[in-house]
Amino acid sequence: GNSVTQMEGPVTLSEEAFLTINCTYTATGYPSLFWYVQYPGEGLQLLLKATKADDKGSNKGFEATYRKETTSFHLEKGSVQVSDSAVYFCALSVSTGGGNKLTFGTGTQLKVEL
Amino acid sequence: NAGVTQTPKFQVLKTGQSMTLQCAQDMNHNSMYWYRQDPGMGLRLIYYSASEGTTDKGEVPNGYNVSRLNKREFSLRLESAAPSQTSVYFCASILPTSGVTYEQYFGPGTRLTVT
Repeated sequence: GNSVTQMEGPVTLSEEAFLTINCTYTATGYPSLFWYVQYPGEGLQLLLKATKADDKGSNKGFEATYRKETTSFHLEKGSVQVSDSAVYFCALSVSTGGGNKLTFGTGTQLKVEL
Repeated sequence: NAGVTQTPKFQVLKTGQSMTLQCAQDMNHNSMYWYRQDPGMGLRLIYYSASEGTTDKGEVPNGYNVSRLNKREFSLRLESAAPSQTSVYFCASILPTSGVTYEQYFGPGTRLTVT
């Protein structure tokens, strides 16, 4: 089956620190990979995605590279801000005839302090 | 363009009561999904509808039923609520039924407490 493992939180950083959130996956088939972000009290929003090996997804200063050889999709940001405080979910989707179903990791809470 | 909307935002039920969570999208998407979010477990798929007229079980369907009322609306019903169904419920939708992978769009969630 499909599964996603991401580092446990919470992660607490000072503003302008470097962020890495690790994500590895197992999948039957060739997955697309996603990072979603959830701000307090809200639903999930797509942060970035990559659909094939060596693709780099990027958005709002966040980046992640699809590494097929290590089955990883680690999220990075060079300088975090207080406004980046949220829960981050790694997810994969294997396109099938019925559905584009997402498999999520457990989420990593990030808290950025001044 | 409201995206994905869910009602209600909050609900408290007693054990054994029933209720229906409503979801609607105005993006002309084909596929719709219901997830539950529990602490430390991420989001788990309850049911999904790949296209109008079809529904299928996800990872945790027990205790739930769904109805794809039309292309816009996908409801989730709890026939006899249990405390284990205390959770935050999210509805999501996506354009294609298969092929190229697009992002899923999520609603704001319904926080349900069963006492």
